[in-house]
Amino acid sequence: KAGVTQTPRYLIKTRGQQVTLSCSPISGHRSVSWYQQTPGQGLQFLFEYFSETQRNKGNFPGRFSGRQFSNSRSEMNVSTLELGDSALYLCASSIQVNTEAFFGQGTRLTVV
Amino acid sequence: AQKVTQAQTEISVVEKEDVTLDCVYETRDTTYYLFWYKQPPSGELVFLIRRNSFDEQNEISGRYSWNFQKSTSSFNFTITASQVVDSAVYFCALSEARTGNQFYFGTGTSLTVIP
Repeated sequence: KAGVTQTPRYLIKTRGQQVTLSCSPISGHRSVSWYQQTPGQGLQFLFEYFSETQRNKGNFPGRFSGRQFSNSRSEMNVSTLELGDSALYLCASSIQVNTEAFFGQGTRLTVV
Repeated sequence: AQKVTQAQTEISVVEKEDVTLDCVYETRDTTYYLFWYKQPPSGELVFLIRRNSFDEQNEISGRYSWNFQKSTSSFNFTITASQVVDSAVYFCALSEARTGNQFYFGTGTSLTVIP
């Protein structure tokens, strides 16, 4: 059974640009969550989607957005990139609510 | 307020020693879930265990064991006879029934096992 797949693995962007990250969850999993990991702030929850609906949103500015498609694949978008957005972005999938989450290898975003 | 506290930032042990990673959590919910994850240098978070708030039974899985105590709001993780492959950052996490799959992570404990 394939795990959680995130693409791309690495990205370098310039301040002011926008970026889209993709996540394919484990087959049959309906919940996809996104996290930002930085050395200073640790692992912070961005948002969760379940059956194409955003269930929860963390404390991030509106520049961070996401969506989930009917096949459960999810994308997150960051507009008007700032240097502080440089981080490892992790996607997690869960088969249901309040179950364990399985994480992808992440997308390492560097903003220059 | 921090919902999950991992006070140990870094721990070093010599191979074959036992090591315990501490985790203290805070929640007002009566139904919640606790997790441990391992993050090797590759970056992927590897799921180790999930416990719900109604099950305080300790669990053992090979060299790993977990001690859940609601009275002290702790969910500690012990590795017995540590090995070099155990070197990683370990995260404790909490989710609350009302917020579904939103995980609150601790700051992690970096474990180095010296051969």
